[in-house]
Amino acid sequence: KAGVTQTPRYLIKTRGQQVTLSCSPISGHRSVSWYQQTPGQGLQFLFEYFSETQRNKGNFPGRFSGRQFSNSRSEMNVSTLELGDSALYLCASSSDPGVQETQYFGPGTRLLVL
Amino acid sequence: KNQVEQSPQSLIILEGKNCTLQCNYTVSPFSNLRWYKQDTGRGPVSLTIMTFSENTKSNGRYTATLDADTKQSSLHITASQLSDSASYICVVPQHYSNYQLIWGAGTKLIIKP
Repeated sequence: KAGVTQTPRYLIKTRGQQVTLSCSPISGHRSVSWYQQTPGQGLQFLFEYFSETQRNKGNFPGRFSGRQFSNSRSEMNVSTLELGDSALYLCASSSDPGVQETQYFGPGTRLLVL
Repeated sequence: KNQVEQSPQSLIILEGKNCTLQCNYTVSPFSNLRWYKQDTGRGPVSLTIMTFSENTKSNGRYTATLDADTKQSSLHITASQLSDSASYICVVPQHYSNYQLIWGAGTKLIIKP
């Protein structure tokens, strides 16, 4: 089975722009979660989607949004980029959103905001 | 506040040596604790999941222990190899109406030849 894929892998944007990141989960997985990781910080939970519905949301401003399609692929969007949005954005998939499920991570998208 | 704290923040050891990483959590109620390994520039990979009833769990040279009474877990790495150089992250789910995973900041482990 192919793993979780994320595109693009690297991205450079300027302040004020918007960006869309894409995540394709492992085939058969229906739950997709997004995380932001900055140097020295633990993974910060952004949101989780299951069956095209946002099931859970972290403490991020409304500039961060996401969606999930019927094939379980997910996108996240960040509008009006700020310098502090520079980070590694990780997507994880699992078969279901249960507490016993293992999350499988993609390689991440490294975003640099100038 | 539900938290997961890890120590040390970073650790350097020689190849072939053993080491132990610590995780303390205040998350309640408790269901399970997970250890992940994250290589530089890559996504985390699950090493083990420990439930309330498990005290010890091994995955090759990695052995995780859990003391649910003191809310502590440790990850012991035996006979370290250069490929063990990575960040090791402890994760505990918190449960409200929907659960969220609380991630520790990780321990950065460097193995020197």
